Amino acid sequence: AQTVTQSQPEMSVQEAETVTLSCTYDTSESDYYLFWYKQPPSRQMILVIRQEAYKQQNATENRFSVNFQKAAKSFSLKISDSQLGDAAMYFCAYRFIMNRDDKIIFGKGTRLHILP
Amino acid sequence: EPEVTQTPSHQVTQMGQEVILRCVPISNHLYFYWYRQILGQKVEFLVSFYNNEISEKSEIFDDQFSVERPDGSNFTLKIRSTKLEDSAMYFCASSDRQGGNYGYTFGSGTRLTVV
Repeated sequence: AQTVTQSQPEMSVQEAETVTLSCTYDTSESDYYLFWYKQPPSRQMILVIRQEAYKQQNATENRFSVNFQKAAKSFSLKISDSQLGDAAMYFCAYRFIMNRDDKIIFGKGTRLHILP
Repeated sequence: EPEVTQTPSHQVTQMGQEVILRCVPISNHLYFYWYRQILGQKVEFLVSFYNNEISEKSEIFDDQFSVERPDGSNFTLKIRSTKLEDSAMYFCASSDRQGGNYGYTFGSGTRLTVV
């Protein structure tokens, strides 16, 4: 069974600094998708960044980038130049699609605090 | 940018009552999902829906739950007889699986409180 593990329940970072959130996953599949979602206090789920497993190049979206290590099954999120608006719960997620089997599996989340 | 719309944003219901949570997925999406997040816990898969039938459901999705797409635009989740432990945030999502967009688009959620 696929699992997603986020080992850091909470993290804090000074405003304008860089922070890395960790995520590991377990799967026997070779083709899948990985995501980071942000959940602010409003509790909406906002897609931050996604990575296709067949792509070797790490995804980047402005201040957000990932370090995807397929062999190690690791998918960390780096936030550069942290801003107060980045404070939220961050969920790492895995998606595998095979015919009718299609769902996202989430980790337990990391709560990120931004210190002014 | 297209959105998934959920109504109501917050619903309070008495234990044992039926509730219907409504979702309007993105218009050209064909795959629909419901997820649940109990306060302080992780987001859990409930059910996926395609071509007017359930594709997959989790063990949480028991006989008390049902989904349907009654009119080609709305996608609803019904809980027949609510229990206290059904209190949670319920998220609808849709996906097109096309064009490299393999992420879901989530709605903003319905907070269900069972009293």
